[in-house]
Amino acid sequence: KAGVTQTPRYLIKTRGQQVTLSCSPISGHRSVSWYQQTPGQGLQFLFEYFSETQRNKGNFPGRFSGRQFSNSRSEMNVSTLELGDSALYLCASKTGLSHTEAFFGQGTRLTVV
Amino acid sequence: AQSVTQPDIHITVSEGASLELRCNYSYGATPYLFWYVQSPGQGLQLLLKYFSGDTLVQGIKGFEAEFKRSQSSFNLRKPSVHWSDAAEYFCAVAAGGSYIPTFGRGTSLIVHP
Repeated sequence: KAGVTQTPRYLIKTRGQQVTLSCSPISGHRSVSWYQQTPGQGLQFLFEYFSETQRNKGNFPGRFSGRQFSNSRSEMNVSTLELGDSALYLCASKTGLSHTEAFFGQGTRLTVV
Repeated sequence: AQSVTQPDIHITVSEGASLELRCNYSYGATPYLFWYVQSPGQGLQLLLKYFSGDTLVQGIKGFEAEFKRSQSSFNLRKPSVHWSDAAEYFCAVAAGGSYIPTFGRGTSLIVHP
């Protein structure tokens, strides 16, 4: 079956703009998590959604938000972009909250100029 | 809170040589432990995981890892490295409850022909 799909793969935005990233989980997976990966900070957890509700949240400012739809697809939004938001954003899906094995998408490379 | 340390930022080995990547974790109880691999521009792929039971875990691509509670370690090994193993390797720990993995900073594996 198809893996985790993230769109777009690459994105260039200007400081101050906002951006929306999309993630389609593996069919049947209901938990979707988002991670930010940068050379300086490594992989950092942003948030996790399950049944259209945010269940866990990392230590990021309120400019970072997300949502999940009834078909488990998820979007992540970053408002008022800063140069430091340039990163690879990874989405991971799991069968459920208590499952531990996460499957990752290829990521969206966001560059803020 | 749990944490993961990967002491080696880069490791260089010759093709055909054996490999050991180190991982130390900090967590009060028995954690869930993972090794992921990331090729350039790609997402993360799960190599293997440890939840309980046999402390020597076999994974994909010929990798194995050993959980040593007394040393709080979960080192990844491969008896003979192939050039295609060149990638970034991440150790991760997840605690019960949230099951959100915390990642180490990664070890970059370079394979010389």
